[in-house]
Amino acid sequence: EVLMTQSPDTLSVSPGERATLSCRASQSVGRHLAWYHQKPGQAPRLLIYEASTRATGIPARFSGSGSGTEFTLTISSLQSEDFAVYYCQHYNNNPPWTFGQGTTVDIK
Amino acid sequence: QLVESGGDLVQPGGSLRLSCSASGYTFSAYAMHWVRQAPGKGLEYVSGISDDGTRTYYADSVNGRFTIFRDNSKNTLSLQLSSLNTDDTAIYYCVKERIRGWYDFDCWGQGTLVTVSS
Repeated sequence: EVLMTQSPDTLSVSPGERATLSCRASQSVGRHLAWYHQKPGQAPRLLIYEASTRATGIPARFSGSGSGTEFTLTISSLQSEDFAVYYCQHYNNNPPWTFGQGTTVDIK
Repeated sequence: QLVESGGDLVQPGGSLRLSCSASGYTFSAYAMHWVRQAPGKGLEYVSGISDDGTRTYYADSVNGRFTIFRDNSKNTLSLQLSSLNTDDTAIYYCVKERIRGWYDFDCWGQGTLVTVSS
């Protein structure tokens, strides 16, 4: 099983600032990596797939990078609606797949 | 759109069947999955099934206790849960892959709550 580790666990950011979230895989997953965010009481929503492609309707302030075992999600200028929990997930090979433990982005 | 149902309060050792009704796309063309989230915790992959239902996959934590299946004639995905324990308490989400071929999840249901307690 591929272990996904996110850092930090919590990131405190002021609106308008840049946020950088990391995700590390215990073995290479190529570029088969997705990012989701989840707001309280809601289902997760897909942000980024294939490590760097924005999903439909996702603003350009979200960007993803990386391959292999190291991945990054960057939010260039945080808006109020971006304060949420962010998860990475690999989908390399057949299931079962794994999620990271999540990074909470909260207001500084 | 994905709409789950079937969540309930069940005693340890009990069983439950969850269902997910899909609409708005060609259900039979995509693999489907279940993902769960324990209260206050992160996301955990549970199970997946191929578009034609011939291939199924399970997390180690549920393998042998849960069974995923689908009825493409009724656009319905199901998850049979058995030998439930308190660790299975969670919101269970039905999710659809974005494109064919075992990919990320672009559509999530609202979830259905399973509570295992005596």
